Amino acid sequence: NAGVMQNPRHLVRRRGQEARLRCSPMKGHSHVYWYRQLPEEGLKFMVYLQKENIIDESGMPKERFSAEFPKEGPSILRIQQVVRGDSAAYFCASSPRPPSLNEKLFFGSGTQLSVL
Amino acid sequence: GENVEQHPSTLSVQEGDSAVIKCTYSDSASNYFPWYKQELGKRPQLIIDIRSNVGEKKDQRIAVTLNKTAKHFSLHITETQPEDSAVYFCAALLTGGGNKLTFGTGTQLKVEL
Repeated sequence: NAGVMQNPRHLVRRRGQEARLRCSPMKGHSHVYWYRQLPEEGLKFMVYLQKENIIDESGMPKERFSAEFPKEGPSILRIQQVVRGDSAAYFCASSPRPPSLNEKLFFGSGTQLSVL
Repeated sequence: GENVEQHPSTLSVQEGDSAVIKCTYSDSASNYFPWYKQELGKRPQLIIDIRSNVGEKKDQRIAVTLNKTAKHFSLHITETQPEDSAVYFCAALLTGGGNKLTFGTGTQLKVEL
């Protein structure tokens, strides 16, 4: 089991460009979560998805940010027209069952987004 | 809104001493409390967790205690070693917030020789 895989590890974008972050959950996991971490800060929840469904996007900005988890392929976090304030580490986590069953979250290595 | 508070933000101890990190939560219905360790530039890794039907759990040098009445839980590391140096995050499954894991702001632990 390869664990939660995120790519790229580092992504550099200029202001106004688009950033696409990918996350492949652990084998058998159908629940995916995205968190954002600013330097020397904690992990802020962004969005929780199951296959083909967004369950909770209460932590994701309404504009420029979107997420998907298609039936086939990785989950994608998309940031349009990036600004310098989007620079952060974006972590993906997965679990085999919903949070109501208290399942442990397993994190990927993160994508460090730098906006120039 | 629902949140998790964590103290202290930084903690320095001498090798061999104990370290204690404390967290409080606001949602009385919360029932799952994991702790994660994050080394510089790496992913958060689960080190121990506790569910609301127990008051204490221990795994070698690491223990977690939970006081549901007071809505706080603590991480205890005994006989600290230099490799324990990292940022530690507590978290709580806040059912009032749509069943998502909410993290504290982290504690930078430094174990000095």
